[in-house]
Amino acid sequence: EIVMTQSPATLSVSPGERATLSCRASQHIGNNLAWYQQKPGQAPRLLIYGTSRRATDTPGRFSGSGSGTEFTLTISSLQSEDFAVYYCHQYNNWPSTAFGGGTKVEIK
Amino acid sequence: QVHLVQSGAEVKKPGSSVKVSCKASGGTFTMHEFSWVRQAPGQGLEWMGGIIPMFGTPNHAQRFQGRITISADESTSTAYMELTNLTSDDTAVYYCASPATGTTHRKFDYWGQGTLVTVSS
Repeated sequence: EIVMTQSPATLSVSPGERATLSCRASQHIGNNLAWYQQKPGQAPRLLIYGTSRRATDTPGRFSGSGSGTEFTLTISSLQSEDFAVYYCHQYNNWPSTAFGGGTKVEIK
Repeated sequence: QVHLVQSGAEVKKPGSSVKVSCKASGGTFTMHEFSWVRQAPGQGLEWMGGIIPMFGTPNHAQRFQGRITISADESTSTAYMELTNLTSDDTAVYYCASPATGTTHRKFDYWGQGTLVTVSS
């Protein structure tokens, strides 16, 4: 079973600043990693897949990087609508799959 | 584009069962995969299992072994998740989710609106 660990649990950032979120896999997962954004009361929304590919309608300020076991989601200049919880998701050993515990990005 | 519509909220007694449905529209039902993901109050996302209607054989996370049944009905384009022997720990929002077709990336492009299942005596 692959375990996904996200850090930090909470990230306090001022609007306009850069946010860097980390995700670590317990085993190598190649580039089979996605990131989702979730706002209160809503279903998650796909942002990034294949480590660095933006999903349709994902703004350019979101970027993903990494490979193997270490991955990063960067939001270059936080906008008010970006304050939310972000989850990483590995799908390398499909059909089994796993999410990280989430990082809450809050206003500083 | 696939649209997923789930059944409504449920309140269940401990020890009972719940069956949540997820009706798909758009695309070809049998070519899609349907996974079930749950989220306990204030907690993260947890993958429970999934099915590809074309192949019919479901899979699930080991921790739900013996308690979960995932199925699909092609005639109604509906996927189902049944969870038995419910406890208060099963109180959560249950989502169905599906990847887009035509890609090897099994990420979840489409999500249902979620179904709140409350387990309480």
